[in-house]
Amino acid sequence: EAGVTQFPSHSVIEKGQTVTLRCDPISGHDNLYWYRRVMGKEIKFLLHFVKESKQDESGMPNNRFLAERTGGTYSTLKVQPAELEDSGVYFCASSQAGRRSEKLFFGSGTQLSVL
Amino acid sequence: DQQVKQNSPSLSVQEGRISILNCDYTNSMFDYFLWYKKYPAEGPTFLISISSIKDKNEDGRFTVFLNKSAKHLSLHIVPSQPGDSAVYFCAASARFRNDYKLSFGAGTTVTVRA
Repeated sequence: EAGVTQFPSHSVIEKGQTVTLRCDPISGHDNLYWYRRVMGKEIKFLLHFVKESKQDESGMPNNRFLAERTGGTYSTLKVQPAELEDSGVYFCASSQAGRRSEKLFFGSGTQLSVL
Repeated sequence: DQQVKQNSPSLSVQEGRISILNCDYTNSMFDYFLWYKKYPAEGPTFLISISSIKDKNEDGRFTVFLNKSAKHLSLHIVPSQPGDSAVYFCAASARFRNDYKLSFGAGTTVTVRA
């Protein structure tokens, strides 16, 4: 069974540009999360989807970040326009359908560098 | 503000010895705690967890201890093996508040020396 897949694995962009990160959760996982780790610091929660609905987006830094999950399958996280402080590793995670659990399955992350 | 703190960024231990990783939290609402392990270029993977109604949970070489009064937990790895070299993240959630999102610490990099 395929795990959580994230694309791209690395992205280098200039300040002011737009970047879109993609996450494909494990098939059948209704819960999808985005997290971010900046500069070796803690991994911070960004938002949580249940199917296509945003359950909790309290961790989104500002309105330059837009997450979508059309159809309840894969999700995208768009940063527009990107700023220097957006650099970091963006992790996507998923968990089983209909189950509230902290035992998340993480993807390998997207390393975003904003220059 | 950071609610889960891992004050030791790194730990070096000899193979066969015990590794002890520490974690402190400030939010008294946290009632479920987890440890995740992360290898380079991979995402974190779940290792072990403990509910606040317990003070110890053991799974093979891994044991997690919880001291609620001190808001402190620790992970013991005995005996340490070279494959244990990784970054370990402490995480917490507030289940009774129906808040399952995880608050993570900054991680401790463990290096097991042969």
